[in-house]
Amino acid sequence: EVQLVESGGGLVKPGGSLRLSCVGSGFSFSSYSLNYVRQAPGKGLEWVSSISSTSGYIYYADSVKGRFTISRDNAKNSLYLQMNSLSAEDTAVYYCARDTKPTTVPDSFDVWGQGTTVTVSS
Amino acid sequence: QSALTQPASVSGSPGQSLTISCTGTNSDVGRYYYVSWYQHHPGKAPKLMIYEVTNRPSGVPDRFSGSKSGNSASLTISGLQAEDEADYYCSSFTTSSTLVFGTGTKVTVL
Repeated sequence: EVQLVESGGGLVKPGGSLRLSCVGSGFSFSSYSLNYVRQAPGKGLEWVSSISSTSGYIYYADSVKGRFTISRDNAKNSLYLQMNSLSAEDTAVYYCARDTKPTTVPDSFDVWGQGTTVTVSS
Repeated sequence: QSALTQPASVSGSPGQSLTISCTGTNSDVGRYYYVSWYQHHPGKAPKLMIYEVTNRPSGVPDRFSGSKSGNSASLTISGLQAEDEADYYCSSFTTSSTLVFGTGTKVTVL
């Protein structure tokens, strides 16, 4: 079964840091670009970041640029999102998602994880 | 990058057709054919329904179809069914090499 499983969410204080992980299985992990998408409570979907199959192309939304870092370890079938300088506005469910086809830019996402919740509060 | 504009809600009776619009600019929807649509039931992972404007992934019923004209894209659901009730989001690649989602549309089956 093709799947992505996220972990690492939790409660963190404003200004703090958190690292999310996403493990893929059932497909050739190293062949696909991967993304993080978040949904704040009561809000819509927001694309956060994208990383190409070999990490050669990395993109961020303006709202997280300079604070978040996406990375991957293809040997471990793992995707990571290092989140620093967190604020209440970063409170959301964070999903990892796979691009539909090998690509260097974020396009369409056909496999999604179940989501992990990040709450930023004092 | 501002979110693409979608109607907040649309509704229809079982068997009817409905269309959701997604309006962007010539920096996103109007520039690229990288427009997708997602179905999202609360508490579950979003599901890809349409990619590259008109393509349906395997397993998505052909009741769902997509189109684009100028800076706007549309998702049409034909033969509306109760299980189609969900939130729907469009998305597009942008000239800033980012991806932007729509504001989301709640579909209600009457």
